[in-house]
Amino acid sequence: GAVVSQHPSWVICKSGTSVKIECRSLDFQATTMFWYRQFPKQSLMLMATSNEGSKATYEQGVEKDKFLINHASLTLSTLTVTSAHPEDSSFYICSARGAGGFYEQYFGPGTRLTVT
Amino acid sequence: GQNIDQPTEMTATEGAIVQINCTYQTSGFNGLFWYQQHAGEAPTFLSYNVLDGLEEKGRFSSFLSRSKGYSYLLLKELQMKDSASYLCAVMDSNYQLIWGAGTKLIIKP
Repeated sequence: GAVVSQHPSWVICKSGTSVKIECRSLDFQATTMFWYRQFPKQSLMLMATSNEGSKATYEQGVEKDKFLINHASLTLSTLTVTSAHPEDSSFYICSARGAGGFYEQYFGPGTRLTVT
Repeated sequence: GQNIDQPTEMTATEGAIVQINCTYQTSGFNGLFWYQQHAGEAPTFLSYNVLDGLEEKGRFSSFLSRSKGYSYLLLKELQMKDSASYLCAVMDSNYQLIWGAGTKLIIKP
C-alpha cells in the first residue's frame, strides 16, 4: 500500500513555457502533500507544503507565482512551473502524508524537468 | 537554526559493514528517518527512530541517542546494490522533515 505516482516522469520544455506535474496518491487519501526540488548531488529542498482544499505554504525563497501548487482533492496535487527558465531544470519530487499519522511520507518517483 | 550533518561520501567493501553517522540540531524532535536514494530516483524509506536505542531490520539497523542529537545507520553484509545516497531527516516540532545533505556510499568489490 501507500503508493504515490507522478506524471510525467520526465519532460523537456522550451524556455518561457509552462509545465504541469501531477502527483497522485493511489491507495490512500493524502491530506498533506509536499513538493521538493533536488539539484544534482544535493539533498532534497522543500518547496512547499499543501493541505487539501487550502492554499499551499511556500518555503522562503520559493516564488509562489512561479510555482503554482493546487491540492484540489485528497488524491491529487499539481505543481505548475510557469514561464520556465533553464535554471528551473531539476528533479521535482512529491510526497504525501495520510490522515492516519504525522510521521510517514510516501514519495513519488520524481519528475525530471529540462528547460531548453 | 536547524542543522543536520552527515558525511558527504563513504567507501566500503562488498560483504563488509559500514556505519553512517548523523548529528542534528532542530527545533523540537518528532523522530529521525533514514532514506535510501539511488541516482535519479526518489528516496525510499529505510527506518524511523523516535526512542533511544537500536532498531534492527534485516541487514540494516538504525540507532538514536536523543540526548546527544546523534543517530547512525548500520549496513551489514554490504552488497553492490547498496551503493546509493543515504539521507538522514529529522521531523521537527511542526512535523516538517529537515533533511541532511545525504551520504554517498560507494561499494567496491
